[in-house]
Amino acid sequence: DAGVIQSPRHEVTEMGQEVTLRCKPISGHNSLFWYRQTMMRGLELLIYFNNNVPIDDSGMPEDRFSAKMPNASFSTLKIQPSEPRDSAVYFCASSWAVRGDTGELFFGEGSRLTVL
Amino acid sequence: GENVEQHPSTLSVQEGDSAVIKCTYSDSASNYFPWYKQELGKGPQLIIDIRSNVGEKKDQRIAVTLNKTAKHFSLHITETQPEDSAVYFCAASLTGGGNKLTFGTGTQLKVEL
Repeated sequence: DAGVIQSPRHEVTEMGQEVTLRCKPISGHNSLFWYRQTMMRGLELLIYFNNNVPIDDSGMPEDRFSAKMPNASFSTLKIQPSEPRDSAVYFCASSWAVRGDTGELFFGEGSRLTVL
Repeated sequence: GENVEQHPSTLSVQEGDSAVIKCTYSDSASNYFPWYKQELGKGPQLIIDIRSNVGEKKDQRIAVTLNKTAKHFSLHITETQPEDSAVYFCAASLTGGGNKLTFGTGTQLKVEL
């Protein structure tokens, strides 16, 4: 398997623009996570899905952020409108969880977002 | 919610020496404690984990210890090598919590020749 695939790897945009980050989880995994990494706040969980259903979005900073998982092989994280403070590396991760048993998270290589 | 503190934030050791990174957690119900290694430009990768029913686990040069009473756990790397240089993150979660990991703030380990 190719692992978790994220795109784009790098995105530079101007304040106010819409940003869409994409993720393809590992085939067969049933949980998907979006994390944000910054120097100041470290790795923050934004939202996670189980069987394509959002389970916990309490980490989503505000209404400008939204995430979808229309099927088991694709998820998007959208920021609209983007702001300079959204600049960070956004990671997608997937895992296989059975009856709540915590399993290994497999991370993608991240999408580095810069908002000017 | 869970809060995980990690120390030190940076650690520099000589090749061949040991490195120890420590974490504390706040939620006594947490029972799963993984450690992730992040190399430059890549996503974190699991290197070892421990569950609350054991106190120590080893995998070659890496070991993790857990003290549930004190709510702290540590990563020990022996005979460090230059390729061990990376950022290490501890994390905690509750089994049944849907893999919702709370990460520490990370330790930048530098192994010097």
